[in-house]
Amino acid sequence: RKEVEQDPGPFNVPEGATVAFNCTYSNSASQSFFWYRQDCRKEPKLLMSVYSSGNEDGRFTAQLNRASQYISLLIRDSKLSDSATYLCVVNRRSYIPTFGRGTSLIVHP
Amino acid sequence: DAGITQSPRHKVTETGTPVTLRCHQTENHRYMYWYRQDPGHGLRLIHYSYGVKDTDKGEVSDGYSVSRSKTEDFLLTLESATSSQTSVYFCAISAEAETQYFGPGTRLLVL
Repeated sequence: RKEVEQDPGPFNVPEGATVAFNCTYSNSASQSFFWYRQDCRKEPKLLMSVYSSGNEDGRFTAQLNRASQYISLLIRDSKLSDSATYLCVVNRRSYIPTFGRGTSLIVHP
Repeated sequence: DAGITQSPRHKVTETGTPVTLRCHQTENHRYMYWYRQDPGHGLRLIHYSYGVKDTDKGEVSDGYSVSRSKTEDFLLTLESATSSQTSVYFCAISAEAETQYFGPGTRLLVL
């Protein structure tokens, strides 16, 4: 089993839709969690950290479920500009974050 | 945006030639990383550094070496480039080995 797994998609949704991605991780010792966004042919950029109690940033909500070992990202009122690949990242208190392979989102008019 | 640059941004080279990629930061972050990104594989860690002259291997380090003689610079060397090293290379920095900030990437084509 891969250490961090994501559904590659693509998730194809209309503007205004709500979409959710999950990311599962295998190491229960994982300590911190993040979502990154990567546009085509660009570098990954930090979207948001994921806190144990869940957190929101505008239209984006991130949640952590330690019991089931997954994190989620919910995007409400999708915009065309949300089209990108979303990478989840898991840290185990080492120097080395572990990246998922990413979930592709396409928002269409 | 974090102050991180990569050079060159694009490079075409021939099999068997040495290639050095440079990552430069102005943030004084302790940790620096080199990744490669290929379709179907996502980001894979090549080498990382946790301080000046302190480096270690990642999951795909064969055929690559690194050096970090100054906090701000992290060099990735392909000793003898092969076609399998054609890829997009990203450098990343981190202050606390948690959140990472990525450079714009280097597209390398080995013919």
